[in-house]
Amino acid sequence: DIQMTQSPSTLSASVGDSVTITCRASQSIFGLLAWYQHKPGTAPKLLIYKASTLESGVPSRFSGSGSGTEFTLTISNLQPDDFATYFCQQYNGYSTTFGQGTKVEVK
Amino acid sequence: QVQLQESGPGLVKPSETLSLTCSVSGSSISTYYWNWIRQPPGKALEWVGYVYDTVYDSVKTNFNPSLKSRLTMSVDTSKNQISLNLSSVTAADTAVYFCARGRNGYLVHWGPGIPLTVSA
Repeated sequence: DIQMTQSPSTLSASVGDSVTITCRASQSIFGLLAWYQHKPGTAPKLLIYKASTLESGVPSRFSGSGSGTEFTLTISNLQPDDFATYFCQQYNGYSTTFGQGTKVEVK
Repeated sequence: QVQLQESGPGLVKPSETLSLTCSVSGSSISTYYWNWIRQPPGKALEWVGYVYDTVYDSVKTNFNPSLKSRLTMSVDTSKNQISLNLSSVTAADTAVYFCARGRNGYLVHWGPGIPLTVSA
């Protein structure tokens, strides 16, 4: 299995900040990476797929980048609704694996 | 608007079979990949497997190798539901279970998840 290492596990920030979350894959995943937002008790929400393609309806303050084994999710101008847990998913190959998640909390 | 809702017993005894259902509204079951994912307490999400109804009266499945020997998945197009059965459960199967509709490998629509505890 491809292992996904996500960091940091927790991130403290304020409204208006820009934050960056990183996912590293144990081998190249050829850009087949997605990012999700999850709030407790609700359905996770797809933000980005193919490393940098914004899902329809997702605000442009969310952006993704990276290639090979290293990928980042950046949230610019953090809004109150953005405090949540974010996780990455690689979908290259036979099975899919997820990062451990990053909780973005109020500073 | 596509909506998914998981349902199930909440508590299962060790060695028994876990049965979960995902009810889908706003989408046909056919020609989509329906995934199950779980998250054990304090751990990362784990892909369980997917089921795909081809509309030609055949259903394809793909399972996490670590669960394959205990797992079955099926679709009921008349009820617009997907089902998961996991046999011989242990405490390690305690998790929140999610269903999700896939597109090209990533997961576009998710349910809110259902907690499942394995305990005597």
